[in-house]
Amino acid sequence: DAMVIQNPRYQVTQFGKPVTLSCSQTLNHNVMYWYQQKSSQAPKLLFHYYDKDFNNEADTPDNFQSRRPNTSFCFLDIRSPGLGDAAMYLCATSGGAGGPQYFGPGTRLLVL
Amino acid sequence: DQQVKQNSPSLSVQEGRISILNCDYTNSMFDYFLWYKKYPAEGPTFLISISSIKDKNEDGRFTVFLNKSAKHLSLHIVPSQPGDSAVYFCAASAGAGAGSYQLTFGKGTKLSVIP
Repeated sequence: DAMVIQNPRYQVTQFGKPVTLSCSQTLNHNVMYWYQQKSSQAPKLLFHYYDKDFNNEADTPDNFQSRRPNTSFCFLDIRSPGLGDAAMYLCATSGGAGGPQYFGPGTRLLVL
Repeated sequence: DQQVKQNSPSLSVQEGRISILNCDYTNSMFDYFLWYKKYPAEGPTFLISISSIKDKNEDGRFTVFLNKSAKHLSLHIVPSQPGDSAVYFCAASAGAGAGSYQLTFGKGTKLSVIP
């Protein structure tokens, strides 16, 4: 089945210790997205890639970076996690603009 | 400023009855609307969408209605089943160009279908 996969499902890191979350897709979609979702809040878009073209949301902190080495994979790097970065991180893909986005199961990040 | 609002945090419905989930939006540039369902510890699952050129879209038990003048959309689930119990998110995107990649989500409505 075509799908969006996120690893790990749960990640525990220490305050200030860099962490990388990964996402892969078998849908062969051009666009990949990273969202942050905190408890009882709406998912918030951090950035997206159209192919290798990186698009950062204006209010995404510099602490968050992303890499997309190929069509299938995308990584979210948090350079110095703070307690406020504890959240669910969702990866999504779409075939292009104006269509549905398909989400992975998410990675729950805990910062100690 | 919340551009997509789901004013009911929760909704309980008896199995077999209709569930109606509501969503309001403020940005008149939004022209594509989606509903997602989310179970605990899983990512949102795409359910159904509607373009602003339509006022209704149906897929099996799920129907989405769009009232552009009121900036309101609703999701009807008929008949409701216990497996429909989940959090439902309304989302919207705007036109062509960069805005069309960004989905703006509501905070969700938790639906409980009681057997």
